[in-house]
Amino acid sequence: AQSVTQLGSHVSVSEGALVLLRCNYSSSVPPYLFWYVQYPNQGLQLLLKYTSAATLVKGINGFEAEFKKSETSFHLTKPSAHMSDAAEYFCAVTERAGANNLFFGTGTRLTVIP
Amino acid sequence: GAGVSQTPSNKVTEKGKYVELRCDPISGHTALYWYRQSLGQGPEFLIYFQGTGAADDSGLPNDRFFAVRPEGSVSTLKIQRTERGDSAVYLCASSLGDRGDGGELFFGEGSRLTVL
Repeated sequence: AQSVTQLGSHVSVSEGALVLLRCNYSSSVPPYLFWYVQYPNQGLQLLLKYTSAATLVKGINGFEAEFKKSETSFHLTKPSAHMSDAAEYFCAVTERAGANNLFFGTGTRLTVIP
Repeated sequence: GAGVSQTPSNKVTEKGKYVELRCDPISGHTALYWYRQSLGQGPEFLIYFQGTGAADDSGLPNDRFFAVRPEGSVSTLKIQRTERGDSAVYLCASSLGDRGDGGELFFGEGSRLTVL
C-alpha cells in the first residue's frame, strides 16, 4: 500500500521567512501527489497536485512543490511566510494510478510568528 | 449550496447508540468519499461512491459502519453500536467523477462525533 510520511508535526517560522514542509512517499509505481491545507474551522482545500507532468508544481497562495523521484519526496515550499499561512498541511498520495481515494500523511501544523 | 455540507457539525452520543451523519455534496459531483480523522492523524479513507453504488468500501473498519447514497447525491454514514474509539471527525468530500487522476476533492467541514 502507498503511504506518505510528513516529517515534523509542528513547524514554526517567522513572518517573511521560507516555509518548508516535508513529505516523503512510498510507492512502487509513479504516484499522484497532493498537498491539502486545512485552515481553522474550515474543510480541507487543495493547494496543488502532481500528476506526472512538470516536476515543479505551483499552487495557490504562492506555494509550490517539487517532485523528486530519486528522493521519493514532494516537499512544499513558500519563499516568504505570511500570517495567513498558519494552518495544518497534509500531503496525500493516490493508492495507484487510476485510483480515486487518497492516503494522507499525519499533517504538519504551521505556525507563523510575527 | 456552493460547497459540501455536512450535518450535524457536532454529535455527542453514548456508547452503544446508533448514529447517522449526513453529507450533501456539490451539485453535479458524481463521486463522493467518506474519511475519518482522529486526533493528531490525517484523514483515513472509509468509502467511495460513484453515483449510487459504493465503488470501494475497503476502508470501513468493521460491519458496524455502513454508508448509502440512494439517489446519487446525498449520502448518509451510519454507525451502529458506537464505541468510544469511533470518536473522530468524519469528513465528506466530493469530486467531479472517476477521472482516475485522483482529481480534486472538495471537503466539507466535517462532523465531529464524540462517543461517551
